[in-house]
Amino acid sequence: DAKTTQPNSMESNEEEPVHLPCNHSTISGTDYIHWYRQLPSQGPEYVIHGLTSNVNNRMASLAIAEDRKSSTLILHRATLRDAAVYYCILRYTGNQFYFGTGTSLTVIP
Amino acid sequence: KAGVTQTPRYLIKTRGQQVTLSCSPISGHRSVSWYQQTPGQGLQFLFEYFSETQRNKGNFPGRFSGRQFSNSRSEMNVSTLELGDSALYLCASSNDTGGDYNEQFFGPGTRLTVL
Repeated sequence: DAKTTQPNSMESNEEEPVHLPCNHSTISGTDYIHWYRQLPSQGPEYVIHGLTSNVNNRMASLAIAEDRKSSTLILHRATLRDAAVYYCILRYTGNQFYFGTGTSLTVIP
Repeated sequence: KAGVTQTPRYLIKTRGQQVTLSCSPISGHRSVSWYQQTPGQGLQFLFEYFSETQRNKGNFPGRFSGRQFSNSRSEMNVSTLELGDSALYLCASSNDTGGDYNEQFFGPGTRLTVL
């Protein structure tokens, strides 16, 4: 299984940028890097995904290392609503996702 | 568009019983995946159905089964319940148009408690 490693928890002050790291040293050439987040009492929701190049959307940015063995999810200005568990995921096959333990993000007002 | 819906939202069963959970995907989505979430093991993939056929299966015992109907609605069944089956069961649907990436849309989950 292609696995990911993330810090268990991180804290950020409100309205400051947050960089959430993920290591995926066993990534294969065709694996997309996905980020989902799970807010309390909800199912996970899509944040962003990428293959080789850095990606931006309205929620976040994804920076992918040149060797693709690591990536960083960047929230440009953390808000209280961004407090969640963030999962970095490599698609195993088809729609079968392997979720690691994720990073629990606490946003401090 | 309505999101992914799961019923029931909460369920309490006793050991040895069986349970059936239901998932209605987003209209037009043909892929439905099921996940089990527990504090100890996190989110674990159970199986995926696409066009009424099981396409992928995770590492769970045969007590866990599922099916998908022609309208893409899916059910999962757990027989001979054990205490360790207490978990949040999440369903996710995907458009799956055959490209390299398909966003998964998750439902709110069914919280199963086994006593």
